[in-house]
Amino acid sequence: DQQVKQNSPSLSVQEGRISILNCDYTNSMFDYFLWYKKYPAEGPTFLISISSIKDKNEDGRFTVFLNKSAKHLSLHIVPSQPGDSAVYFCAARWGGSEKLVFGKGTKLTVNP
Amino acid sequence: DAGVTQSPTHLIKTRGQHVTLRCSPISGHKSVSWYQQVLGQGPQFIFQYYEKEERGRGNFPDRFSARQFPNYSSELNVNALLLGDSALYLCASSLGHSSYEQYFGPGTRLTVT
Repeated sequence: DQQVKQNSPSLSVQEGRISILNCDYTNSMFDYFLWYKKYPAEGPTFLISISSIKDKNEDGRFTVFLNKSAKHLSLHIVPSQPGDSAVYFCAARWGGSEKLVFGKGTKLTVNP
Repeated sequence: DAGVTQSPTHLIKTRGQHVTLRCSPISGHKSVSWYQQVLGQGPQFIFQYYEKEERGRGNFPDRFSARQFPNYSSELNVNALLLGDSALYLCASSLGHSSYEQYFGPGTRLTVT
């Protein structure tokens, strides 16, 4: 029973274009949503988060959008750079705890 | 500033053995969480410790246990290893209870043969 789903295992975009990574969730008890980036042989690196009471959060080239009615969030990267090539995990936090529930990840490849 | 450190980096064990994995959090962080990442999956929550007390436990058997020391470092112990325990074990630290921003270490790659 996957509570956080990333339905696209991979995504390929051209340098300079927009990358859009999607995530769906099923549980209304989640109060924060986070995106992590992971390179091989490294631990996940925190990118950006959004509270369940917001619908948008922006940090430089990264913007996360939350649609609570659809239980859907997305990460936009503009412009995409080759260094952004990594596996991106969507994670959701159980309200008031530190337990994170992760999706399976989406491998992003940004081609020069 | 040193990030989260984990030891060892890699480990090979035989079925039935036990293993101890270690984690040192970022200086000033009092909370440590453990995750298991099986190939092709996202990390799965095992435990969270805050101020040396267990504050959360995931859906893992009793063969898995952990503890946190007065200096906030932590150990994860797994007894009676099974082939299915082969995974990357990640440690994450945060400032305190109910922090949402967690910082992960590089992980320990455990292979059970």
